[in-house]
Amino acid sequence: AQKVTQAQTEISVVEKEDVTLDCVYETRDTTYYLFWYKQPPSGELVFLIRRNSFDEQNEISGRYSWNFQKSTSSFNFTITASQVVDSAVYFCALSDPTGNQFYFGTGTSLTVIP
Amino acid sequence: DTGVSQDPRHKITKRGQNVTFRCDPISEHNRLYWYRQTLGQGPEFLTYFQNEAQLEKSRLLSDRFSAERPKGSFSTLEIQRTEQGDSAMYLCASSHRGREQFFGPGTRLTVL
Repeated sequence: AQKVTQAQTEISVVEKEDVTLDCVYETRDTTYYLFWYKQPPSGELVFLIRRNSFDEQNEISGRYSWNFQKSTSSFNFTITASQVVDSAVYFCALSDPTGNQFYFGTGTSLTVIP
Repeated sequence: DTGVSQDPRHKITKRGQNVTFRCDPISEHNRLYWYRQTLGQGPEFLTYFQNEAQLEKSRLLSDRFSAERPKGSFSTLEIQRTEQGDSAMYLCASSHRGREQFFGPGTRLTVL
């Protein structure tokens, strides 16, 4: 069965601290896709990244970086030098190779304190 | 270019009434998805369309729920005989050939 676990329900950090959001997934597919989405207080889910299961290279985009480790079925997300605007709920998601269904975790609520 | 739009943004209804929501996807996207999200949870898949064909439905989608995408463009989600348990945010997303999904702002349904 497909499953995404985000064990951290809520995290609070002080501005400029680094923070890592954990994501662990389960799938029987050999090919799959992993995603991170941000849901700010306004409510609209914003796409952040898509990762193919065959591509284990870590990715950096500005203050955001992602660490994909197939051996531990994890796809963790790090925000460096956090800012108040990073406050949001972050969702990790998994899809099968067809993209027919997405499986979302329960989300991690991040609060960045000024 | 506009993103995914949903209408209405908020809907308050009395138990037993029917409601209909509309979603307009990004124009070149052939896939359209409906999700339900309750407080503190991630989006839960309801159904998806490829063009005008409804290809998959979740067991969450009871007989009171029906979705259409008549011309492969916009979609509607209707809930008949609403129940208080239907109160949630209903999200629509679209994608191009199953790649990353882009979400609309959602319709928040409150059933009194």
